[in-house]
Amino acid sequence: QKEVEQNSGPLSVPEGAIASLNCTYSDRGSQSFFWYRQYSGKSPELIMSIYSNGDKEDGRFTAQLNKASQYVSLLIRDSQPSDSATYLCAVSGRAGNMLTFGGGTRLMVKP
Amino acid sequence: DAGITQSPRHKVTETGTPVTLRCHQTENHRYMYWYRQDPGHGLRLIHYSYGVKDTDKGEVSDGYSVSRSKTEDFLLTLESATSSQTSVYFCAISEQVSNTGELFFGEGSRLTVL
Repeated sequence: QKEVEQNSGPLSVPEGAIASLNCTYSDRGSQSFFWYRQYSGKSPELIMSIYSNGDKEDGRFTAQLNKASQYVSLLIRDSQPSDSATYLCAVSGRAGNMLTFGGGTRLMVKP
Repeated sequence: DAGITQSPRHKVTETGTPVTLRCHQTENHRYMYWYRQDPGHGLRLIHYSYGVKDTDKGEVSDGYSVSRSKTEDFLLTLESATSSQTSVYFCAISEQVSNTGELFFGEGSRLTVL
């Protein structure tokens, strides 16, 4: 069983809609959670980090963390075609302080 | 953009040959990492370094070795490349350990082993 699970997608949403991306993790002791965005053929870049239960908002992005249920999600409001990318969930895992990445969810925003 | 340069960006080699990938940073960050990215597997950590001459294994370290003789350079070596090592390799750096700070990634090195 992978430590960090994501639906590979593609998740297709119309422009202007809310895109909801989900991630579950297996290590109950995980403390840090990140969302990275990766455009096709490019390198990942950090868009959100969250460390405590609840919601964290940054512009059109909201990260949600529920440690009891072991999931973290990313909401993208007013989705734009430029949001089309693969979104990687990363969680601090058992291997010391290193991050474990999920396989990523491919998001497609259609005009 | 974080100053991270990977070389070579593309390489095709044959099974059994040695390959070295180089990561060079100009940010003076303490931590450096090598990841590989394969379809369906996401990013998997190969090795990382927390200082000059200080390195440790990640989750997929078999068949790989690393060296860090200077703060700015982190080398990944495949002693005898195999087809299973065909992948895109990303170097990353961070000022703090990766579970507390942002990772900055290089542009990637695409390796094909025939």
